[in-house]
Amino acid sequence: RKEVEQDPGPFNVPEGATVAFNCTYSNSASQSFFWYRQDCRKEPKLLMSVYSSGNEDGRFTAQLNRASQYISLLIRDSKLSDSATYLCVVFNQAGTALIFGKGTTLSVSS
Amino acid sequence: GAVVSQHPSWVICKSGTSVKIECRSLDFQATTMFWYRQFPKQSLMLMATSNEGSKATYEQGVEKDKFLINHASLTLSTLTVTSAHPEDSSFYICSARGATGDTQYFGPGTRLLVL
Repeated sequence: RKEVEQDPGPFNVPEGATVAFNCTYSNSASQSFFWYRQDCRKEPKLLMSVYSSGNEDGRFTAQLNRASQYISLLIRDSKLSDSATYLCVVFNQAGTALIFGKGTTLSVSS
Repeated sequence: GAVVSQHPSWVICKSGTSVKIECRSLDFQATTMFWYRQFPKQSLMLMATSNEGSKATYEQGVEKDKFLINHASLTLSTLTVTSAHPEDSSFYICSARGATGDTQYFGPGTRLLVL
C-alpha cells in the first residue's frame, strides 16, 4: 500500500460548487497531516494542517478519521482561483519528513 | 511566513556536467533541510534529509554519489547533481524546517533540463 493515496481526479467544477477530496494513509502512527496546494510549475504551499477534531478555515474544511486512516478536504463556494493541485501530506514512518500524495487536480470554470 | 530561496531557478546543461543547486533559509535557522524531486504529473518524491553538520540521509533508490548534499550551515544546503543525464531533468525543490515545530517551508524550486 502506498504511504499516501489520493483521489485520482481531475475534478472539473463550476464556480460556486462544493467539492471534496479524499486521502488515505498507511502509517497508523502518523500524528501530523496537512493539505498543500500546488499551482502549475510552482512549489507547494501549505493550505492547512489537519487536526483530530477537524478544522475549518473560511471555505475550507479538513477532517481526519484516524480509525479509517482517512483525511478529507472540503471546498465550499469554489472560486476560479481555487484551480490548482491539492496534495495530501503526512509525516513519514520515522516522523522526520513529509510524504506527499500524487495530488488531485481541481479546475474551476465560470 | 518564513522564506526559503533557491538558486538557480532554472538551469539547462549538457549531459555529463555537474549542476549545483543552493537552498537558503533567509529569516530563520534551518536545522533540517529536505530535497525533493518532482517529475511532470507526479508527486514530490523525497530524495534526502539533511541536518546541519551531519551527513544526509538518502531515501531508498537515490544514489548518494550522484546527488551530493551538503548542509554546512544553518541557512544553506546545496544539492549537486553530478554527471547529469537527460533522465535527471526534473523540478528540484528544497524545504527547510527550524528547530521547533513541524512546519516545512518550501523554496520556489529549480527546473533542471539536461540536454
